[in-house]
Amino acid sequence: EIVLTQSPGTLSLSPGERAALSCRASQSVRSAYLAWYQQKPGQAPRLLIYGASSRATGIPDRFSGSGSGTDFTLTISRLEPEDCAVYYCQQYGDSPPRFTFGPGTKVHIK
Amino acid sequence: QLQLQESGPRLVKPSETLSLTCTVSGDSVSSRGSSWAWIRQPPGEGLEWIGSMFYSGSAYYNPSLRSRVTISVDTSKNQFSLKLISVTAADTAVYYCARQESEFDYWGLGSLVTVSS
Repeated sequence: EIVLTQSPGTLSLSPGERAALSCRASQSVRSAYLAWYQQKPGQAPRLLIYGASSRATGIPDRFSGSGSGTDFTLTISRLEPEDCAVYYCQQYGDSPPRFTFGPGTKVHIK
Repeated sequence: QLQLQESGPRLVKPSETLSLTCTVSGDSVSSRGSSWAWIRQPPGEGLEWIGSMFYSGSAYYNPSLRSRVTISVDTSKNQFSLKLISVTAADTAVYYCARQESEFDYWGLGSLVTVSS
């Protein structure tokens, strides 16, 4: 079973700053099968990035994903107050089919 | 616009069965290539995949829950369902239904189910 580790656990930054969130896998993950979500309090998660680097519909271009193998990064280039949320990475393994989520990174806007 | 809505009892007694239904609008649960999933989130914790019904008609489950979970599809009602037997307090969570590819692109709003006597 692939385990995802996210760091840092919490990130506290000011508006306009750049945030880099890390997702590390215990085994290599196919880039096509790595996604990122944003979850605000009391809301369902929202898909931000799929295929490691493709933005989902309606996602602003300040969100970008990169990485391959076991190391992936979600970058928020210019933080806005509404980016205050928990961000999760997720991988899909197809033999057998299985999904796992990372524990999340909480982003706090000062 | 695809929408998903969870429904079912919000309170379940220990050792009983949790049953939830997800009603889909804007897509067909039987359309080619569409797969459907259940995900849960205990209060204050992270996300856990419960299981999925793939477009092939095969269901796959989280190994940690496999012995207690069943996911099924009702094409006549455009719904899919979750049954979790022998629940304990550890099964208290917000339960989400979602459309699935290799990621989850559409989610329901979630339904908080509490296991308590």
